[in-house]
Amino acid sequence: AQTVTQSQPEMSVQEAETVTLSCTYDTSESDYYLFWYKQPPSRQMILVIRQEAYKQQNATENRFSVNFQKAAKSFSLKISDSQLGDAAMYFCAYRFSTSGTYKYIFGTGTRLKVLA
Amino acid sequence: NAGVMQNPRHLVRRRGQEARLRCSPMKGHSHVYWYRQLPEEGLKFMVYLQKENIIDESGMPKERFSAEFPKEGPSILRIQQVVRGDSAAYFCASSRSGGRESPLHFGNGTRLTVT
Repeated sequence: AQTVTQSQPEMSVQEAETVTLSCTYDTSESDYYLFWYKQPPSRQMILVIRQEAYKQQNATENRFSVNFQKAAKSFSLKISDSQLGDAAMYFCAYRFSTSGTYKYIFGTGTRLKVLA
Repeated sequence: NAGVMQNPRHLVRRRGQEARLRCSPMKGHSHVYWYRQLPEEGLKFMVYLQKENIIDESGMPKERFSAEFPKEGPSILRIQQVVRGDSAAYFCASSRSGGRESPLHFGNGTRLTVT
């Protein structure tokens, strides 16, 4: 069964510093997508970054980048130059195909606190 | 281009009442997903719909819950005879297609409180 594990319930980072949020997943699929979503106190789920399993190059979106280790089934998110607005819950998600449709599995989230 | 619109933002119901949650997908999106989020937990898949069709309802409780996405109008998640355990945030998401490259875009959610 596909699972997504975020082992860090909470992380803190000093403003302007770098923080890495970890995510591991379990799958027997070879073709899938991985995502990081951000959920600020407003509760909206915002797509931060995505990675296709077939692409070896790590995805990057401005201050956000991932370290995708396919063999280890690891998909960590690195936030550089952290800003106060980065404070939120971060969810790792895995998308896979089953019975002709696509499903997402979400981790339980990591709460990121940014300290001024 | 408006995002995914959910209403109401907050909904309070007494036990035994019905709750109706609405979701209008992003313009050009024909795939709608409903997720439930309990406090301090991740999102749990409930149902996946395309226009007039339920594609996957494997995450829906067998009783009291139903969903639809009619040809015209928003998608509706309906919970009959609500109980306290139904209290949660319910998120709707849409995508342009069901393809693997198409990410989900989420609404702001509806927080249901059952008293």
